[in-house]
Amino acid sequence: NAGVMQNPRHLVRRRGQEARLRCSPMKGHSHVYWYRQLPEEGLKFMVYLQKENIIDESGMPKERFSAEFPKEGPSILRIQQVVRGDSAAYFCASSPEGLVYEQYFGPGTRLTVT
Amino acid sequence: RKEVEQDPGPFNVPEGATVAFNCTYSNSASQSFFWYRQDCRKEPKLLMSVYSSGNEDGRFTAQLNRASQYISLLIRDSKLSDSATYLCVVSPQGGKLIFGQGTELSVKP
Repeated sequence: NAGVMQNPRHLVRRRGQEARLRCSPMKGHSHVYWYRQLPEEGLKFMVYLQKENIIDESGMPKERFSAEFPKEGPSILRIQQVVRGDSAAYFCASSPEGLVYEQYFGPGTRLTVT
Repeated sequence: RKEVEQDPGPFNVPEGATVAFNCTYSNSASQSFFWYRQDCRKEPKLLMSVYSSGNEDGRFTAQLNRASQYISLLIRDSKLSDSATYLCVVSPQGGKLIFGQGTELSVKP
């Protein structure tokens, strides 16, 4: 049973470009969560999604960031017009139906903005 | 005030030592509590859930005091492989996990 998959593992973008981070949850998991870890800081919750629904986006920056989890395909975290401060590790987690606290994390995508 | 606060690290201990980590949380409505482990800023991995009655898993013991909003983790007979950053995690409700800054542990031979 494959774990949570994220790609790309490393992403380099210039300031002003767009970054798209993808997350495929574990098989059978219908809940996806995105967290961000800035250099020298702890993980911070960004957003919680179920298929085609955003459940909690209280941790998402108000501008430039969006997330989706379509009926088919992976969850996408999209960052428009990236700035240096967006450089971080972005982790995705998934959980099975009814067990929202049993979260399994993917290996993360390390975004570097130059 | 941070929502979850942990002892600052790093903790440098010899093999075989007992080490204790402490954590406090600010939201009294928090419902679920965990300790995670993170190696070299890779993905965090669940170490154990924490219950009010206290729970033990081999060399690891976790305690929760809801009245004091305090969580602890005790590691006995520490091994070199225990070297990692230990994250105190609290969840108010609905799946959102709130992570502490982490405490770095380095176990030396």
